[in-house]
Amino acid sequence: QTVLTQPPSVSGAPGQRVTISCAGSSSNIGAGYRVHWYQQLPGTAPKLLIYDNTNRPSGVPDRFSGSNSGTSASLAITGLQAEDEADYYCQSYDDRLSGSKVFGGGTKLTVL
Amino acid sequence: QVQLVQSGAEVKKPGAPVKVSCKASGYVFKTYDIFWVRQATGRGLEWMGWMNPNSGNTGYAVRFQGRITLTRSTSINTAYMELGSLRSEDTAVYYCARGRGWLGHMDVWGQGTTVTVFS
Repeated sequence: QTVLTQPPSVSGAPGQRVTISCAGSSSNIGAGYRVHWYQQLPGTAPKLLIYDNTNRPSGVPDRFSGSNSGTSASLAITGLQAEDEADYYCQSYDDRLSGSKVFGGGTKLTVL
Repeated sequence: QVQLVQSGAEVKKPGAPVKVSCKASGYVFKTYDIFWVRQATGRGLEWMGWMNPNSGNTGYAVRFQGRITLTRSTSINTAYMELGSLRSEDTAVYYCARGRGWLGHMDVWGQGTTVTVFS
């Protein structure tokens, strides 16, 4: 089972705003460990999208943003585009698991 | 440019080991950790282990301990992941990725290596 819980799927029409949640616990996100987000287009390797909760790497559009609250994190995508259709994963650290990076189960974003 | 290039696809029989390589270029190999992550078909990402190329120190996810070994060759800027006692459930795409420390993100990923365990 995964330590971070994401919805299996979300969808939205072009131009709309969608959010993807990442629910954790007191041993990971709630403990203050940073959350990172990755985008995985079909048949490709994951790509870093958001790091350290809210930061975007160079080249990532500002339509993508991250936030945290308590034991959860969220990824927001505004102005949805067809090319955003992909799988999205959150990742953090869990101090109960002998020091482990942990991932969410992934969320499939469908652009209607 | 910074990149990680992995070795090609492997087909193995149950019980055999597999060794995947990850060659780094475009940056100083010893200054970033290397992480290994795998993804079974249609499934999510699973963290497997970590290595510091400078010290050679490693850390492994509990479920892989005893079966996984991470090594490196600093002379050719290459990291290796060896997984032993393969079973059908190990069929997956294996990725290496660059990062800094347990708490940090992974900013550059290899293209992935498909390992198929097939009798």
